[in-house]
Amino acid sequence: EAQVTQNPRYLITVTGKKLTVTCSQNMNHEYMSWYRQDPGLGLRQIYYSMNVEVTDKGDVPEGYKVSRKEKRNFPLILESPSPNQTSLYFCASASGLAGISGANVLTFGAGSRLTVL
Amino acid sequence: AQSVTQPDIHITVSEGASLELRCNYSYGATPYLFWYVQSPGQGLQLLLKYFSGDTLVQGIKGFEAEFKRSQSSFNLRKPSVHWSDAAEYFCAVSTLRGSGGYNKLIFGAGTRLAVHP
Repeated sequence: EAQVTQNPRYLITVTGKKLTVTCSQNMNHEYMSWYRQDPGLGLRQIYYSMNVEVTDKGDVPEGYKVSRKEKRNFPLILESPSPNQTSLYFCASASGLAGISGANVLTFGAGSRLTVL
Repeated sequence: AQSVTQPDIHITVSEGASLELRCNYSYGATPYLFWYVQSPGQGLQLLLKYFSGDTLVQGIKGFEAEFKRSQSSFNLRKPSVHWSDAAEYFCAVSTLRGSGGYNKLIFGAGTRLAVHP
């Protein structure tokens, strides 16, 4: 089944304890992205990657890191989590270049709910 | 700057009633527009999208949306709501990141739909 898999789905941690949220897709997609969802704000993009070793900041990158060493994986790293990073996180992937096939359509993971105490 | 406004935070309808969820966007060029649905504990699922052509777009689960350029709107409709439609709905506009690049999705804040039996 074509899917985007995120782990963990739920996590409670404490301020300053480094954590990584993994994201893996099995669709050979070039594009991957991380979003955070907060009440009243919708989804905001944290980082995105157009391909292996190519990453760039989204709208709210502060406090986060990413890497794209393999095409299928795009982990989100919180080096020193703070309470304002308590949120619901979504990873998404897509294939196809905008100039060829129109806007790429994102496939989303099920989400990872993170609480930082 | 590009933006998406969903004026209604919460909407409650009775099962079998018609539904219209409002979405207004701000974007200087021809937009690519999307509606996603998020069921409790789930990721986002694409309902429908508009790229070009016929301004009335049909989607999954009996939903449709109409693009009105003069009103900068892309409202989602369903003639008869089912209890299983209770979820959060997100409108999104896609913006082009340079020629040949992937489009970035900008989301509205979401509308939470409750369905009364």
